[in-house]
Amino acid sequence: NAGVTQTPKFRILKIGQSMTLQCTQDMNHNYMYWYRQDPGMGLKLIYYSVGAGITDKGEVPNGYNVSRSTTEDFPLRLELAAPSQTSVYFCASKQTGSGNQPQHFGDGTRLSIL
Amino acid sequence: KQEVTQIPAALSVPEGENLVLNCSFTDSAIYNLQWFRQDPGKGLTSLLLIQSSQREQTSGRLNASLDKSSGRSTLYIAASQPGDSATYLCAGGGSGAGSYQLTFGKGTKLSVIP
Repeated sequence: NAGVTQTPKFRILKIGQSMTLQCTQDMNHNYMYWYRQDPGMGLKLIYYSVGAGITDKGEVPNGYNVSRSTTEDFPLRLELAAPSQTSVYFCASKQTGSGNQPQHFGDGTRLSIL
Repeated sequence: KQEVTQIPAALSVPEGENLVLNCSFTDSAIYNLQWFRQDPGKGLTSLLLIQSSQREQTSGRLNASLDKSSGRSTLYIAASQPGDSATYLCAGGGSGAGSYQLTFGKGTKLSVIP
């Protein structure tokens, strides 16, 4: 059981480039999330999805886009990379909105914008 | 807006000692409280989840408590081991429309000295 898988694990981008961070889960979870973690800080929610075709903004959505065409996949798109987007990005999933279910996290993508 | 604080930012203890990690939150209308462990360069591993109707949860040497009235949660680790060294994050789940989201503290970095 792979759980939540994120690719790539590391990436260096130049300012203005674009890229897609991939996230897939094999647990048939309805809810999926993207967070970013800056050094010494807690995680901040970028976008989330409660099911295929449904997405919504979190606390820090500017500069990012998402889509959810299938239950399994929730890619995060950076269109014009900026140094402020240097961070570690985590994808997470959860089966339902119930309060008794934990979020499951991937190992993260470490992104540097130079 | 929910705010989550973890004090201290770092803690060093000798092996075998019992210890308590603290987490405080500002909005008592919390949906649930989740404790995570994060190892360097890795994702988050869920340790314990306490629903708003519960007071505590236990797993092995770990015990987490939740006091909504005082806005506090604690994670108790018994008989600490060097393998417990990691950063521990707490996160509060919002209620209502925010129940999809977790608000994270910045974490407590724990070092258990052999």
